This record gives sequence, structure tokens and C-alpha cells, in this order.
Amino acid sequence: SQTIHQWPATLVQPVGSPLSLECTVEGTSNPNLYWYRQAAGRGLQLLFYSVGIGQISSEVPQNLSASRPQDRQFILSSKKLLLSDSGFYLCAWSGRVRGHNEQFFGPGTRLTVL
Amino acid sequence: AQSVTQLDSQVPVFEEAPVELRCNYSSSVSVYLFWYVQYPNQGLQLLLKYLSGSTLVESINGFEAEFNKSQTSFHLRKPSVHISDTAEYFCAVTPSGGYQKVTFGIGTKLQVIP
Repeated sequence: SQTIHQWPATLVQPVGSPLSLECTVEGTSNPNLYWYRQAAGRGLQLLFYSVGIGQISSEVPQNLSASRPQDRQFILSSKKLLLSDSGFYLCAWSGRVRGHNEQFFGPGTRLTVL
Repeated sequence: AQSVTQLDSQVPVFEEAPVELRCNYSSSVSVYLFWYVQYPNQGLQLLLKYLSGSTLVESINGFEAEFNKSQTSFHLRKPSVHISDTAEYFCAVTPSGGYQKVTFGIGTKLQVIP
């Protein structure tokens, strides 16, 4: 069966510090991968998605970036965090079955920027 | 492009009472529809989905949703809620046919009152 991992589970960082959140998927090959941010009262905001190694599409211009160094690894980064980067970050994957885009979510990372 | 509207940000309901969480979507093409549930500090879990066939779909824990193409709706219902149903519920839509991104609503917080 497929599983998706995210770490760390919680993170408290000062403004201006760097960020690296990691997401890995097991039990599937060549998944589509996604990073979402969930802020209070604002639902899910798609930040990045990837259809393959090294292929990243950005949905929202901001000071975050994403990378996919391996097929089942997706990393969210920032060089300098802002207060507005606080939120709950969710990684998700979906299969490459044509015509079906059900997404499976990781447990999330709670980021607090102080 | 697709959009999803969840009109109710919060829905309080007494235990064992019925509940309906509303979802309307907009799309110029045929779609797949999903309901996800999120318990506090966790990722999203798929509750039920409509891909094709019967317009009434059910989950294993008593929820059901009906796809209404003419009203572009996919409302979620349960005839009798439990305390354990307290969570946030997200409606989502994606175009059918091929890889596409998923658009999520802003979520509805269901609070079951004892």
C-alpha cells in the first residue's frame, strides 16, 4: 500500500531563517506531487506541483521554492522566512492514471514563524 | 477553470441530528467531485467521490453526497451525526479526462454539540 510521510511535524522558526520541509511517498512510482498551505479561514492554497523529477510548477509567487530531486521526494524550501509563511503545510500525491486525480495527503507540518 | 463554493464556514449541529454541508461548483467541462475530511492537526482524508455512474455516492461512515449537474451541486449529508464527526470538510473538483489539478473549497467546520 502507499504511504506518504512529512517531517518535521511541527516547526518554530524565527523570521529570516531558512526552511526545509520534506515529503516522501512509498509504494508508488512516478506520482504527481503537491505542496499546499492551509492558513486559518483560507482553505487550501496550492503552492507547487510536480509531474516528474526536476519538473516544478509554481502556483503562487512568493518567497518559497520547491524541488523534486528524486521520483518520490518533494522538498519545500525558503531562504528567508516571513511572518506570513506561518501555516499548516500539506504534501499530497496522486497517481498518473488518466482521467482520475484523487489526491492522498500527508499528516502535515505546522510551521510557526516568530 | 473550475471553482468551488462552500457557503457555510461553520455548521453547529446537535448530536443525532441530520446535517447538510453545501457545495456548489463551476466548470465549463465535465468534472469529478470529492469530499475530504480533516480532523484537527491532521492531513485530509478522502470521504467520498463522484466519478461517473450513480449520482448518489456513500461513505463507509454514513455520509452521502448527490451529484446534481443541473444545479452544479454536490452537497454532503448525514441523517444522524456523532461527536466523532466533528471536523472540517472540504469539497473539491477536478476536470475529468487526463491529469488535472484539483480545486478545493475553503472548507466547512462541522461542530457536533453533545
